[in-house]
Amino acid sequence: KAGVTQTPRYLIKTRGQQVTLSCSPISGHRSVSWYQQTPGQGLQFLFEYFSETQRNKGNFPGRFSGRQFSNSRSEMNVSTLELGDSALYLCASRADTEAFFGQGTRLTVV
Amino acid sequence: GENVEQHPSTLSVQEGDSAVIKCTYSDSASNYFPWYKQELGKGPQLIIDIRSNVGEKKDQRIAVTLNKTAKHFSLHITETQPEDSAVYFCAATPRRDDKIIFGKGTRLHILP
Repeated sequence: KAGVTQTPRYLIKTRGQQVTLSCSPISGHRSVSWYQQTPGQGLQFLFEYFSETQRNKGNFPGRFSGRQFSNSRSEMNVSTLELGDSALYLCASRADTEAFFGQGTRLTVV
Repeated sequence: GENVEQHPSTLSVQEGDSAVIKCTYSDSASNYFPWYKQELGKGPQLIIDIRSNVGEKKDQRIAVTLNKTAKHFSLHITETQPEDSAVYFCAATPRRDDKIIFGKGTRLHILP
């Protein structure tokens, strides 16, 4: 069974640009969550989608948004990038309580 | 909402000794407590979890204990080995359909 796949693995963007990250969950998993990981801050919850609906939301500004498609694949978008958005973005899929993570997308904003 | 505190942020242990990482949570409704291990360049991987109806769970060299009254839970690694060097995260969630909230992580160094 294939694991959680995130693309791309690395991204370099300029301040003010926008970016879209993709996550393909484990087959059969309907929940996809997104986390931002920065040194010293751990894993901060962005949002979770379940069956194409946002089920939970963290405390991030509206520049961070996401969506989920009918095949459970999810995308997250960050608009008007800031230097502080540089981080590892992780997605996790789950069928029940156990979450399985992808390897993440390393975003660098310059 | 739920808040998870994790200590210490860094831990150095001699190979063969034991390591203990402690976490506290704020939401008394939380009932699922997973622990994740993250190696360099990889995403976090579940190593053990415990539910609120159990006080302790063990899997080979790894054990987790839960004190619901005090709202804290701990990870114990015995007979540590070099491959145990990684960042460990504790987490908590109150319901199956709720978000999983993570602590800030503990970087564990196993010294030769």
